[in-house]
Amino acid sequence: KQEVTQIPAALSVPEGENLVLNCSFTDSAIYNLQWFRQDPGKGLTSLLLIQSSQREQTSGRLNASLDKSSGRSTLYIAASQPGDSATYLCAVSPSATDKVIFGPGTSLSVIP
Amino acid sequence: EAQVTQNPRYLITVTGKKLTVTCSQNMNHEYMSWYRQDPGLGLRQIYYSMNVEVTDKGDVPEGYKVSRKEKRNFPLILESPSPNQTSLYFCASSFSVRGHYNEQFFGPGTRLTVL
Repeated sequence: KQEVTQIPAALSVPEGENLVLNCSFTDSAIYNLQWFRQDPGKGLTSLLLIQSSQREQTSGRLNASLDKSSGRSTLYIAASQPGDSATYLCAVSPSATDKVIFGPGTSLSVIP
Repeated sequence: EAQVTQNPRYLITVTGKKLTVTCSQNMNHEYMSWYRQDPGLGLRQIYYSMNVEVTDKGDVPEGYKVSRKEKRNFPLILESPSPNQTSLYFCASSFSVRGHYNEQFFGPGTRLTVL
């Protein structure tokens, strides 16, 4: 059964720092992996989607990479800002199904 | 504006009183899905639908029903709600690419309390 973990559970960094969030999954047979952010009490906002055939995706200050063989994805945030403070979630879709399995999230706090 | 809408946004009800949470999308997406979010358990998928009249169970389908009679709507039905269904519920939708879902877009959430 596919399991998704995210480390660290919480992270606090000073403004301007570059940071990396990690997502690990136990079964490398995935169709895609998606990164989201969730603000307190709000819905999820899609950040980046990586298909299984891709190695990375970029959007602005965000870069997500995927290494299927090692069961890992990283979300790199450059020059962090207080507005980046949120919970970041990754979700994978196993190849054989259309189910979606979420990780527990990393709570990020960027200190001005 | 492209969006996923859910109604109601907040609901307090009592055990056993049937309720429906509606979800609608205006992006002509084939794929729609329901999730619940609980502290310490994260987001878990309840049901999903690849297209009209096609629905499948997610990881936590017990106590829920869904239907997909129209492409834009995917209601979540709780026939006999219980307190353990108190949760934050999200609906999401996506285009289907080569028979698989793609980037998902989420609704604003419905906070349900069952007394």
